[in-house]
Amino acid sequence: DQQVKQNSPSLSVQEGRISILNCDYTNSMFDYFLWYKKYPAEGPTFLISISSIKDKNEDGRFTVFLNKSAKHLSLHIVPSQPGDSAVYFCAASAYNTDKLIFGTGTRLQVFP
Amino acid sequence: DAMVIQNPRYQVTQFGKPVTLSCSQTLNHNVMYWYQQKSSQAPKLLFHYYDKDFNNEADTPDNFQSRRPNTSFCFLDIRSPGLGDAAMYLCATSRGRDTAYEQYFGPGTRLTVT
Repeated sequence: DQQVKQNSPSLSVQEGRISILNCDYTNSMFDYFLWYKKYPAEGPTFLISISSIKDKNEDGRFTVFLNKSAKHLSLHIVPSQPGDSAVYFCAASAYNTDKLIFGTGTRLQVFP
Repeated sequence: DAMVIQNPRYQVTQFGKPVTLSCSQTLNHNVMYWYQQKSSQAPKLLFHYYDKDFNNEADTPDNFQSRRPNTSFCFLDIRSPGLGDAAMYLCATSRGRDTAYEQYFGPGTRLTVT
């Protein structure tokens, strides 16, 4: 049972345009959501997060939107840069647990 | 720089031959995690330690064991690797239960079983 779903395995975007990566979840107990970025031959690195009490969190070029009623979150990258090319994982956690539940990832390619 | 280190980066073992993967951290974090990630799949939590408190996931096979001799080190032992255990194994840390959300990952060990 995949509680966190990233239905797009890949996304290709032109440099300078917006990249939108989507994530859906099924567990209504999740209250904290994160995006991780992974380059080849490296471990995932934390990118940005959002608590369920918010619907938007912004950090520079990265913005995460949360729609609790739809159990959906998205990561917006604008403007996209070639260095953003990586695999992006969505992850979720329920209150007072030690664990993150990850999605399968979306491979983003930003081309010139 | 504070970091999570995994050795070796690549490990080849034979079917049924025990293998140990290691993880060390200089972050002084209380929690350490082991994940298994197969190609195009989500990282799957195997178990984690909160200090010395071991927490096994219900669906982690008995073939997988872990040791945490001190704060800095954690080991993953696969007692009798099968072909299906070939995967990337990721170690991660976090400061504590209230900050478990933000986990810091090592580069992973890619295990091949021949």
